[in-house]
Amino acid sequence: GAGVSQSPRYKVAKRGQDVALRCDPISGHVSLFWYQQALGQGPEFLTYFQNEAQLDKSGLPSDRFFAERPEGSVSTLKIQRTQQEDSAVYLCASSLTLLYQPQHFGDGTRLSIL
Amino acid sequence: AQSVTQLDSQVPVFEEAPVELRCNYSSSVSVYLFWYVQYPNQGLQLLLKYLSGSTLVESINGFEAEFNKSQTSFHLRKPSVHISDTAEYFCAVIGGSQGNLIFGKGTKLSVKP
Repeated sequence: GAGVSQSPRYKVAKRGQDVALRCDPISGHVSLFWYQQALGQGPEFLTYFQNEAQLDKSGLPSDRFFAERPEGSVSTLKIQRTQQEDSAVYLCASSLTLLYQPQHFGDGTRLSIL
Repeated sequence: AQSVTQLDSQVPVFEEAPVELRCNYSSSVSVYLFWYVQYPNQGLQLLLKYLSGSTLVESINGFEAEFNKSQTSFHLRKPSVHISDTAEYFCAVIGGSQGNLIFGKGTKLSVKP
């Protein structure tokens, strides 16, 4: 497809389980961002990749959160030992370059932790 | 540190009426500002952006925003809204050298017939 694709769209997990969220960016986009959007809030930055390099992970809330982009295209956000406060929509965005090009967002993964 | 304040969490308005969604920012560096729109259960779509040049920027669907440096504002306006404009609108600023965005809390625009 032409846009950013995220899967799954919805994920329900029990507290303590590990989850993996996938992002397929627009082909050729160098920059990839992950954001977390809690209910009723604006998205908050989690981490940033330039190609396969993770250049900023300052927004990751704890060491239970881990992201990778091994071949510089598809990215996976993994959350280990999930907690209820991890419930949110996780948004992925990509852009052509670092130079303040507009970010294109996927539809997000809605994660619910029971 | 950069931050964005959206002063209204909800704005109800009648169809064909004008609307203004307010956004104020604080930034200690060069300012790059964006408005995104989010329809239910969807991701964010870029509405318009200010990077440099003319302080008045327009979108293809009739929205416009004006960058005002002295008032540190980037308010979004539309002279006549449609039912289809019902959505949540987010103002954002570039937050760091990596280009990540800092968003406001959003304004829900509800257009009534």
